[in-house]
Amino acid sequence: QKEVEQNSGPLSVPEGAIASLNCTYSDRVSQSFFWYRQYSGKSPELIMSIYSNGDKEDGRFTAQLNKASQYVSLLIRDSQPSDSATYLCAVKGDYKLSFGAGTTVTVRA
Amino acid sequence: DGGITQSPKYLFRKEGQNVTLSCEQNLNHDAMYWYRQDPGQGLRLIYYSQIVNDFQKGDIAEGYSVSREKKESFPLTVTSAQKNPTAFYLCASKPGLEFYNEQFFGPGTRLTVL
Repeated sequence: QKEVEQNSGPLSVPEGAIASLNCTYSDRVSQSFFWYRQYSGKSPELIMSIYSNGDKEDGRFTAQLNKASQYVSLLIRDSQPSDSATYLCAVKGDYKLSFGAGTTVTVRA
Repeated sequence: DGGITQSPKYLFRKEGQNVTLSCEQNLNHDAMYWYRQDPGQGLRLIYYSQIVNDFQKGDIAEGYSVSREKKESFPLTVTSAQKNPTAFYLCASKPGLEFYNEQFFGPGTRLTVL
């Protein structure tokens, strides 16, 4: 079982819609969770971090964490063409971040 | 400007050569990391360092070596023992090991073996 799994995508959404990205993880004692956005050919950029169960909102982004279900998600509201990228879920273990393979999102104008 | 710099941006290597990728940060971060990213895959940890003069192997350390002689610098050498080195290499740093510390990435080096 992979440490961090994401829905494989690609995910195509129309402009203005909500994009929903999911991530599950295997290490039950993980304490911190991150979402990175990666444009093609570029390095990952941190967009959200979440440490407690529940929702965390930042602008058009909402991260949701459910530690009992070992599940973290990212919602992108009012999707824009500039949101077209690969989104990486990362989970912190003892000494490192474990990354999912990423979900590629395409926002159709 | 504070940040993480990597050089070169593109690097071409012949079979059998060792090459060194540079990573420098002026964020005063204690911890530094090297990752490798292959197309369609997530990031895999090569080496990490929590303090100066100390570093640890990550998940895929074979064929790589590092040093941490200065807090701000963490160079990665890709040796000829690395059988498939063509990849996108990313350096990252974070202030410390606390769970709430966020990790930031440099711009990356794209290595191609000719």
